[in-house]
Amino acid sequence: DGGITQSPKYLFRKEGQNVTLSCEQNLNHDAMYWYRQDPGQGLRLIYYSQIVNDFQKGDIAEGYSVSREKKESFPLTVTSAQKNPTAFYLCASRPGGSSNQPQHFGDGTRLSIL
Amino acid sequence: AQSVTQPDIHITVSEGASLELRCNYSYGATPYLFWYVQSPGQGLQLLLKYFSGDTLVQGIKGFEAEFKRSQSSFNLRKPSVHWSDAAEYFCAVGATGGSYIPTFGRGTSLIVHP
Repeated sequence: DGGITQSPKYLFRKEGQNVTLSCEQNLNHDAMYWYRQDPGQGLRLIYYSQIVNDFQKGDIAEGYSVSREKKESFPLTVTSAQKNPTAFYLCASRPGGSSNQPQHFGDGTRLSIL
Repeated sequence: AQSVTQPDIHITVSEGASLELRCNYSYGATPYLFWYVQSPGQGLQLLLKYFSGDTLVQGIKGFEAEFKRSQSSFNLRKPSVHWSDAAEYFCAVGATGGSYIPTFGRGTSLIVHP
């Protein structure tokens, strides 16, 4: 079955450390997204990519970085510049082209500070 | 700019009772609308979507939603709630223009009493 795989499910970061969250999809989707979810705040967009080798900042990109070297992969790095990284991170994808296609979501990664 | 408002942060219902979750949107043209459900610690699952045509749409798990253009609303309903329906529910307006960025509401947490 096609889907989106996020790993790891739980991740702990030490002070001053960069950590990378993995997102892989086998849906052949062109567009991929990273969201941060905090209690009571819904989903906030960090970065998105509509095609390979191209990505755009979302609403809260500071302290995060991404790459899109392959269509199926969109890893997110939480850098030491992100002072409050504790949150639930969701990756999503959708087909390119028409805007009426919904996003598909992974099961998330929960990041905590040690 | 598009926006989505879910006015209820929490909704509490008794098992077997009917349910209505409210969603209001702001969008310049005919919107594409979605409802997603999120169980604790998991990703978002699509419940239903509205693109055009019949304003009453059926989804999975016995849910339905009605698009009312005059009220800019897309409320989610279920005639009889089960304990397993306890979750977070998100309304979303489909992507706009060339950016293909959906906008999500902040979510409504559904609590089901036995």
